[in-house]
Amino acid sequence: QVQLQESGPGLVKPSQTLSLTCTVSGGSFSSGDYYWSWIRQPPGKGLEWIGFIYYNGITDYNPSLKSRVAISRDTSKNQFSLKVTSVTAADTAVYYCARDYGAGGYYPYMDVWGKGTTVTVSS
Amino acid sequence: DIQMTQSPSFLSASVGDRVTITCRASQSISSFLNWYQQKPGKAPKLLIYGATSLQSGVPSRFSGSGSGTDFTLTISSLQPEDFATYYCQQIYTTPRTFGQGTKVEIK
Repeated sequence: QVQLQESGPGLVKPSQTLSLTCTVSGGSFSSGDYYWSWIRQPPGKGLEWIGFIYYNGITDYNPSLKSRVAISRDTSKNQFSLKVTSVTAADTAVYYCARDYGAGGYYPYMDVWGKGTTVTVSS
Repeated sequence: DIQMTQSPSFLSASVGDRVTITCRASQSISSFLNWYQQKPGKAPKLLIYGATSLQSGVPSRFSGSGSGTDFTLTISSLQPEDFATYYCQQIYTTPRTFGQGTKVEIK
């Protein structure tokens, strides 16, 4: 059974870069059926889709964050990563990684999620 | 971006009640609509995909309907474990936008 686990610093200073990694276990990151996504949720607010990466490195980002976001992957480690540059307090959120069955079927959906990791932007 | 609007934002109901949550898209998205359930401190859980298809393992009291711009999530008989926040999400195009959420609380 596929599991996802986010990891990374819980505290980032303003103007610095937020870096998180999602490790995929129990399955292959290189399956062509899936996109690998990042979603975030500010405290007490709703969900925001950040973007995803395909196993071959193709990415798609939310235009609202596109200038500050990069998603990469390390297929040898079954991991994908998120970087958000020039962070502010508005980037404080729970960050989730998720598997998006967007390439293997007609209707995409996110069926496996990590537990989420809280990132606080503060000096 | 496609805007997703849920109503109501908050709903108070009793165990056994039939509950309906509505989601409206700012443009037609055919049946490219998913529903998720989120409990406090937990990741969202997929309930319904493709507007009407029940995800494996999800109880049959959950159902989805609609196409185009108007969609509905129905819980036929609310159970104690169903008190949570529900989100719709369009997957017609990227960015994959979510509704603002509907919190279902105990009456």
